[in-house]
Amino acid sequence: KNEVEQSPQNLTAQEGEFITINCSYSVGISALHWLQQHPGGGIVSLFMLSSGKKKHGRLIATINIQEKHSSLHITASHPRDSAVYICASGNFGNEKLTFGTGTRLTIIP
Amino acid sequence: DAGVIQSPRHEVTEMGQEVTLRCKPISGHDYLFWYRQTMMRGLELLIYFNNNVPIDDSGMPEDRFSAKMPNASFSTLKIQPSEPRDSAVYFCASSVYRGYEQFFGPGTRLTVL
Repeated sequence: KNEVEQSPQNLTAQEGEFITINCSYSVGISALHWLQQHPGGGIVSLFMLSSGKKKHGRLIATINIQEKHSSLHITASHPRDSAVYICASGNFGNEKLTFGTGTRLTIIP
Repeated sequence: DAGVIQSPRHEVTEMGQEVTLRCKPISGHDYLFWYRQTMMRGLELLIYFNNNVPIDDSGMPEDRFSAKMPNASFSTLKIQPSEPRDSAVYFCASSVYRGYEQFFGPGTRLTVL
């Protein structure tokens, strides 16, 4: 059974700081998803990656398949980045996602 | 496209009542997922469909829960009878292809008194 762990659980930083959120999983996966959930509840898919690195604006996601580890980076963080970030692994052979427990990020102006 | 549409956005009901949650996936998406989110357990997959056919319902907590997808543009999740422990936010999501990015609806916040 695949287990997905995120760290840290909570992160508070000053505006402008570089942010890193980590995600580890226990078995081989088909893809790793990063999701963002703002206060108020809506969930948005940020990235889906199976190798290497992807970048979208100030957000960068990387994955190391050998180490079963992914990171989400935010450069020049802004208060509007405050949200819960959730990683989820997609498993070979089915479409089910296994979710981490989320990282609550708060950016202080 | 309007994205995934869910209704109602909020539902407050009393224990024992039947609750029906509705979802309209993005047109052309072959996969539809129902999730439940609680503070204690986070996001959990309840059931998913491929081309209107239920593929995996192992996450459905008990027989009080049922889901249908009568056509490609509509799905329901029904709880009968509802209990206070069913209080949660229920999300519907769809994706165009197997293992591809999922698009989430705004969720239905269910409160069972």
